[in-house]
Amino acid sequence: KQEVTQIPAALSVPEGENLVLNCSFTDSAIYNLQWFRQDPGKGLTSLLLIQSSQREQTSGRLNASLDKSSGRSTLYIAASQPGDSATYLCAVEEGAGNMLTFGGGTRLMVKP
Amino acid sequence: DAGVIQSPRHEVTEMGQEVTLRCKPISGHNSLFWYRQTMMRGLELLIYFNNNVPIDDSGMPEDRFSAKMPNASFSTLKIQPSEPRDSAVYFCASSWRGQGGYTFGSGTRLTVV
Repeated sequence: KQEVTQIPAALSVPEGENLVLNCSFTDSAIYNLQWFRQDPGKGLTSLLLIQSSQREQTSGRLNASLDKSSGRSTLYIAASQPGDSATYLCAVEEGAGNMLTFGGGTRLMVKP
Repeated sequence: DAGVIQSPRHEVTEMGQEVTLRCKPISGHNSLFWYRQTMMRGLELLIYFNNNVPIDDSGMPEDRFSAKMPNASFSTLKIQPSEPRDSAVYFCASSWRGQGGYTFGSGTRLTVV
């Protein structure tokens, strides 16, 4: 059974710092990996999707990498801002159209 | 596209009552998922459909829970009878067989008192 772990569970940084959020998964035979953002009391917003054949994806200040062989993905946030404060969730899909298995999330707070 | 639409946004009901949650997936998507989120257990898959057919309902906690997808544009999740431990946020998501990723609705916050 696939298990997804996110470290750290919580992170507090001053504005402007570059930071890395980590995601690991136990079964490397994945189809896609997706990073989401969730604001308190809100739904999930997709940030980046990395297909299994890809090694990274970038969107603005966000960069996500994928190393299937080691079962790891990282989300890099450059020049963090208070508006980045949210919970970041990593999820893996093991086959096309299959369920997503989520990590427990990293709760990020960026202080002004 | 308006995205995945869920209704109601909030539901407060008394224990023992029937609750029906609704979801309209993105047009053209052929996979639909129901998830439940709680502080203790995070996001858990309840059931998912491909082409309106239930594929995996092993996450449905009890027989009190049932889900249907009568057509490609509508799904329901029903709880009968509801219990306080069912209180959670229920999310619906859809995708085109995983391509392009998954899109989540805004969720239904259910409180059973």
